[in-house]
Amino acid sequence: EVQLVESGGGSVQPGGSLRLSCAASGFTVSSNYMSWVRQAPGKGLEWVSVIYSGGSTYYADSVKGRFTISRHNSKNTLYLQMNSLRAEDTAVYYCARGYSGSQNWGQGTLVTVSS
Amino acid sequence: DIQMTQSPSSLSASVGDRVTITCQASQDISNYLNWYQQKPGKAPKLLIYDASNLETGVPSRFSGSGSGTDFTFTISSLQPEDIATYYCQQYDNLPPWTFGQGTKVEIK
Repeated sequence: EVQLVESGGGSVQPGGSLRLSCAASGFTVSSNYMSWVRQAPGKGLEWVSVIYSGGSTYYADSVKGRFTISRHNSKNTLYLQMNSLRAEDTAVYYCARGYSGSQNWGQGTLVTVSS
Repeated sequence: DIQMTQSPSSLSASVGDRVTITCQASQDISNYLNWYQQKPGKAPKLLIYDASNLETGVPSRFSGSGSGTDFTFTISSLQPEDIATYYCQQYDNLPPWTFGQGTKVEIK
């Protein structure tokens, strides 16, 4: 059974850093397109970043230069390193496998950026 | 970046009604479009991919159509369990893979 479990969320002050993790089971992270999508409280979905199976990475303009997506193949885990956090980064962050059919999503982890 | 304009932002319909949501891309995205359902406090669920393909296990009352810049999502007969917010997302060529603003569907 495919499962994605996010962790690492929490409260942080503006300018701080957090690293989100997405532990995968039932499939191989490095063989799939893996994405991060976020949702601010009461708002819509916002695509954040993707890492291709070949290793290419892409980011939304709103996080470019501050966030880094990566994966650890032996741990079968996806990461999102978030630096220089801003209040507007407050959201539930979801990891997802795939970009078209046969997708899987985690349950999300909440990041709150506040002083 | 490609912008996705989804409408309406909300709608109210009766059980059994046909419900239609539209999504317009700012440029040609071929058929690279997903439709998602999201219920409160839950992760999004993929319903339709490649504009018109039904994800495995999704009821056949859900359907999608369109190509190029104009797309339509339809619930043929609204059920109480369909109360949710629906989003389109384009995944044409290179990211960013943008979402529409969402459509909240309620029962009248």
